[in-house]
Amino acid sequence: NAGVMQNPRHLVRRRGQEARLRCSPMKGHSHVYWYRQLPEEGLKFMVYLQKENIIDESGMPKERFSAEFPKEGPSILRIQQVVRGDSAAYFCASSPDGGSYEQYFGPGTRLTVT
Amino acid sequence: QQQVKQSPQSLIVQKGGIPIINCAYENTAFDYFPWYQQFPGKGPALLIAIRPDVSEKKEGRFTISFNKSAKQFSLHIMDSQPGDSATYFCAASISGRRALTFGSGTRLQVQP
Repeated sequence: NAGVMQNPRHLVRRRGQEARLRCSPMKGHSHVYWYRQLPEEGLKFMVYLQKENIIDESGMPKERFSAEFPKEGPSILRIQQVVRGDSAAYFCASSPDGGSYEQYFGPGTRLTVT
Repeated sequence: QQQVKQSPQSLIVQKGGIPIINCAYENTAFDYFPWYQQFPGKGPALLIAIRPDVSEKKEGRFTISFNKSAKQFSLHIMDSQPGDSATYFCAASISGRRALTFGSGTRLQVQP
């Protein structure tokens, strides 16, 4: 059973460009979460999605950031008009269907904004 | 009130020692407390988790102790090995929600 997959693993964008980060959850997992980790800091929750629905976006910045989890395909975190402060590691996690709260993390996408 | 405070920031122990990492919280609505291990350049890996209805949980060399009245929980690593050298994060989530609130992390170094 493959783990949570994220791509790309590293992404470099110039200021003002768009960044698209992809996450494929583990098989049998329909709950997806996105977290951001700044250097030397803990992870900060951004958004929680189930198929075609945003369940909790309380941690998402109000502007430039959006997330989706379509019926088919991976979950996508989209950052428009990136700024240097967006440079961070972005992690996706997934939880199994049913009542489990266990979250399993992917390897992350390291975004660098130049 | 949403914070989880973790200490120490860093910890060095000798091989075979028992490092202890502590976390404290304020929000009594938290009811799920996992611990994660993270190696450089990798994603966090779930180690062990506990709910407030038990005071201790063991899985292999890892033990969580939970003190509901003090609103504190801790991770103990028995017979620590150099391969345990990593950053450890505690976390918590609120009943009915799934968003994890993470502590700031503890960088553990186990010397041979």
